[in-house]
Amino acid sequence: AQSVSQHNHHVILSEAASLELGCNYSYGGTVNLFWYVQYPGQHLQLLLKYFSGDPLVKGIKGFEAEFIKSKFSFNLRKPSVQWSDTAEYFCAVNTHTGKLIFGQGTTLQVKP
Amino acid sequence: NAGVMQNPRHLVRRRGQEARLRCSPMKGHSHVYWYRQLPEEGLKFMVYLQKENIIDESGMPKERFSAEFPKEGPSILRIQQVVRGDSAAYFCASSDRLEDEQYFGPGTRLTVT
Repeated sequence: AQSVSQHNHHVILSEAASLELGCNYSYGGTVNLFWYVQYPGQHLQLLLKYFSGDPLVKGIKGFEAEFIKSKFSFNLRKPSVQWSDTAEYFCAVNTHTGKLIFGQGTTLQVKP
Repeated sequence: NAGVMQNPRHLVRRRGQEARLRCSPMKGHSHVYWYRQLPEEGLKFMVYLQKENIIDESGMPKERFSAEFPKEGPSILRIQQVVRGDSAAYFCASSDRLEDEQYFGPGTRLTVT
């Protein structure tokens, strides 16, 4: 069965620390990949997406992600986090069927 | 351009009652998706609809749950005879095309007492 796994459920960082959130998926075919963010009290917003081409994609607010096809991974990174990055982060995969398959989410807490 | 709209934002129902959740997609979007988020879990796909058609309902519980997206008006997710286990956040999303990013609404938080 298709699935998405996020390795870190809860991450606590100090401001200016670097961030990397892991995401792996299980599906042998072509996929579109997404990272969504949910700030406290708000709805899901798209951070970035990968459809094809350059495997290193840049999103909003200084986030980037790298698609490594051989590892079925799509890890999210940010060189220097801010307190305002405190949120829940979701990795998701679309296997061209329409539905998104989400990971369990990672709660990021940034200490000022 | 208004985003995806959902109402109500909060809904309280007693066991055995019916819950109706509404979703208006972004203007121009014809693909609508419903997801459920249970406490401490990620979002789980429920159903994918286009106007007047259910495309994929593989994530819908077999009983008590139904969805529609009529030619006119919002998409409706209907839960009959609610039970405590139905308490969750229900999110609607829409997209322009099948492969595109999905835009999410604010969700409806259903509480069954």
